[in-house]
Amino acid sequence: DQQVKQNSPSLSVQEGRISILNCDYTNSMFDYFLWYKKYPAEGPTFLISISSIKDKNEDGRFTVFLNKSAKHLSLHIVPSQPGDSAVYFCAASARNNAGNMLTFGGGTRLMVKP
Amino acid sequence: KAGVTQTPRYLIKTRGQQVTLSCSPISGHRSVSWYQQTPGQGLQFLFEYFSETQRNKGNFPGRFSGRQFSNSRSEMNVSTLELGDSALYLCASSRDRIHEQYFGPGTRLTVT
Repeated sequence: DQQVKQNSPSLSVQEGRISILNCDYTNSMFDYFLWYKKYPAEGPTFLISISSIKDKNEDGRFTVFLNKSAKHLSLHIVPSQPGDSAVYFCAASARNNAGNMLTFGGGTRLMVKP
Repeated sequence: KAGVTQTPRYLIKTRGQQVTLSCSPISGHRSVSWYQQTPGQGLQFLFEYFSETQRNKGNFPGRFSGRQFSNSRSEMNVSTLELGDSALYLCASSRDRIHEQYFGPGTRLTVT
């Protein structure tokens, strides 16, 4: 049973436009969410996170929105740049968990066209 | 600040052998987690160590084990390798729980 799902395996966007990547989760115990970017042959790079006490967190071109009632989060990249082309993973963690354990979605491949 | 380092980067082993992978966390980070990435299963949590103690364990067989040393460096061991163990093994470190995890480049293990 996938607790974190990214239903779009790929997304293509024109340079300068907005990229919106979506993520859904089923476990109501999740209360901390993260987005990672991954290039081939590299480890995931942390982008941005959000706690469940917030509904929005912004860092430069990246904004994450959290809708707890819908168990949905999204990552907005504005404006999109060709260097943003990568696989994006959302991940979730449960605060009541004894330690650090991330549950990842399957990833969305973003292609930003010049 | 140096990032998470993993050695070796690439490894080829034969079915039935055992393998040890190493991870050095970012300085000051006491939590080290291991993940397996495969095309079919995605990124899956193996286990987490904090202050030399296993704090969390994922749903993997006992052939997968790990340990953490007093300097926070961690090793992961897989015994009796199977073809299905071929994967990218990623290590991540963080200061403590509910902090962002920072990943190393991974070790690509191929079992033939």
